Amino acid sequence: SYVLTQPPSVSVAPGKTARIPCGGNNIVSYSVHWYQQKPGQAPVLVISFDSDRPSGIPERFSGSNSGNTATLTISRVEGGDEADYYCQLWGNYSDHLIFGGGTKLTVL
Amino acid sequence: EAQLVESGGGLVQPGQSLRLSCTVSGFNFGDYAMSWVRQAPGKGLEWVGFIRSKIYGGTTEYAASVNGRFTISRDDSKSIAYLQLTSLKTEDAAVYFCCRGGTGDAFDMWGQGTMVTVSS
Repeated sequence: SYVLTQPPSVSVAPGKTARIPCGGNNIVSYSVHWYQQKPGQAPVLVISFDSDRPSGIPERFSGSNSGNTATLTISRVEGGDEADYYCQLWGNYSDHLIFGGGTKLTVL
Repeated sequence: EAQLVESGGGLVQPGQSLRLSCTVSGFNFGDYAMSWVRQAPGKGLEWVGFIRSKIYGGTTEYAASVNGRFTISRDDSKSIAYLQLTSLKTEDAAVYFCCRGGTGDAFDMWGQGTMVTVSS
């Protein structure tokens, strides 16, 4: 079955750029969605279809997808961005969903 | 304002059953597929399954881990999606979220979740 691989943690200083990778075999052939989850809260969609930003999500959040890696990029990181981030796609035949294991973003 | 509200969680013993509800307001429930996602304590997100809208047959898909034990249904007249959990195992203990969306969709709306505890 298809597997999405995320690093358990990423650390970044305030004001810098955070890049969270999501690896999968030929992931470029899939549409990848990204969610932010803060402790005790429901996930929030931050990027859909590789690079679309939903209404209300700051422009600092962007996404890309190439080869075997999709990437969530957060520019000018703020303390409020500290959260778990999950990538997600729909697998073969589009009727089963796969989440990455999640990445904890720590703002130093 | 659009909203999803889960209910029905609680403490059950292994082997028992539970029915969760997801009550929707603020959008036309019947137009959308609805999904369930769970999160065990301290763990990541796990997709449970989804139900298509009636225009797409109202059929369901499930993760292998719950297939045959869990059933998703919907009542469009009440704007409620249900998740029937049977033959519960300790490893089913989690917060269960309902989400708007199905095949190919990004989940643009989530409920706050309802906790299911399975313990003897």
